[in-house]
Formats: sequence, structure tokens, C-alpha cells
Amino acid sequence: AQKITQTQPGMFVQEKEAVTLDCTYDTSDPSYGLFWYKQPSSGEMIFLIYQGSYDQQNATEGRYSLNFQKARKSANLVISASQLGDSAMYFCAMREGRRGNTPLVFGKGTRLSVIA
Amino acid sequence: DVKVTQSSRYLVKRTGEKVFLECVQDMDHENMFWYRQDPGLGLRLIYFSYDVKMKEKGDIPEGYSVSREKKERFSLILESASTNQTSMYLCASSFYPGGGDEQFFGPGTRLTVL
Repeated sequence: AQKITQTQPGMFVQEKEAVTLDCTYDTSDPSYGLFWYKQPSSGEMIFLIYQGSYDQQNATEGRYSLNFQKARKSANLVISASQLGDSAMYFCAMREGRRGNTPLVFGKGTRLSVIA
Repeated sequence: DVKVTQSSRYLVKRTGEKVFLECVQDMDHENMFWYRQDPGLGLRLIYFSYDVKMKEKGDIPEGYSVSREKKERFSLILESASTNQTSMYLCASSFYPGGGDEQFFGPGTRLTVL
């Protein structure tokens, strides 16, 4: 079974609008972390935001916020006030357990296109 | 700033050649990882290492080997390149032990095997 599911292969959003990218995960470990990365066309992976399984508050970083619904096992990324530079692939990832040397497991990604 | 560098951005090799992909990080990170990225499949883990001379298989290790002789350097080796190894290869590193520590990625190597 897939551990990370991103059901939206592609999405379009109007500039200055908010957009939500979906991510659901599957784990039986009570301790885990969830990550979102952005990959522009240049190819580099850029870390955006992190949510720990025990964090009470939803994580926020500037225009990025993570809508963490633990019971539903979802960790959706919300981008507010979209900009043209937000056009990229977005990957959701999970690390199970508390140890930092556990690799991340990635979803298949969502391609976001921001339209002027 | 953490810097992860990869030896080549683009590489073209022939079937059967031995291929070395080098990755170097400059932040004294314990953990290093090799992924391959293919359209529609996301990133898949090939191998990772949490210490010098230590290595662990990821999800798709077949056809690959790795070497970590120094902490800052993690090499991916294709013993006999095949066309189905044409892909984007991404190296990453992270600091242990924090579970919240993100992985820092290199710019990627786009390998074409003819």
C-alpha cells in the first residue's frame, strides 16, 4: 500500500488565489513527520514546511500552511495568494519514527500551474 | 547554508558502462540518500547511509551500489548501465537525530543511458 498519496496529478490556480494540494498518508507508527517540498522546472528540491505528529498547531511558513487532520491522516498544503513563481511540482513526504536517519517516503507529486 | 553538490547536471553514457555519480555535502551531516525520480512515480529511494562505511538498501537497489568512504561524500555506482536506468538522480543529506530535520537536496543529475 502506498504510504503517501497525492491524488491530484495537476492543478491550475489563478494568480492571487489560494490553493490546496492534497496529501494523505498511511502509517501505524504514532510518531512521524510530514514534509512538503517544491520542485521548480530547474529541478532542485526546496523544503517548504514540516509538521510533526505530536504538534498541536498546524504548521505555517509565510504563505504556506499545512492543514493537518490526524484522524483523517491528511496533511494538505495550502498556498495563499498564489504567485506565478509558485508554478512547480509539489511533493508530500513522510518520515516514520523519531529517528532523523529514517529516509523520507515521497508521494508522486502534484504539478501546480499558476495562471495570470 | 547547507550545500549539497552533485558531480554532473547532465550525463550521457552507453549501455554496459560503469557509471559513478558523486554527491558531496558541506554541513557535516550524518545521513545521505540517493533517490531516482521518474515522471509519475515521484522520488524512490535507492540507498542511504547514516554513517561512514554504512549503507542501507532502499526500495529499488537493484542494479546500483554505493560507497561512503568519507562523511561528506556519497557515491552511487551503476555497475553496468542499462537503458532503464535513464532517470533523474537526486542526492540528499540530513542531520541526525532530529525527526523534524528536513533533507537537503542537490541539484540532481539527469542521466541518459543509450
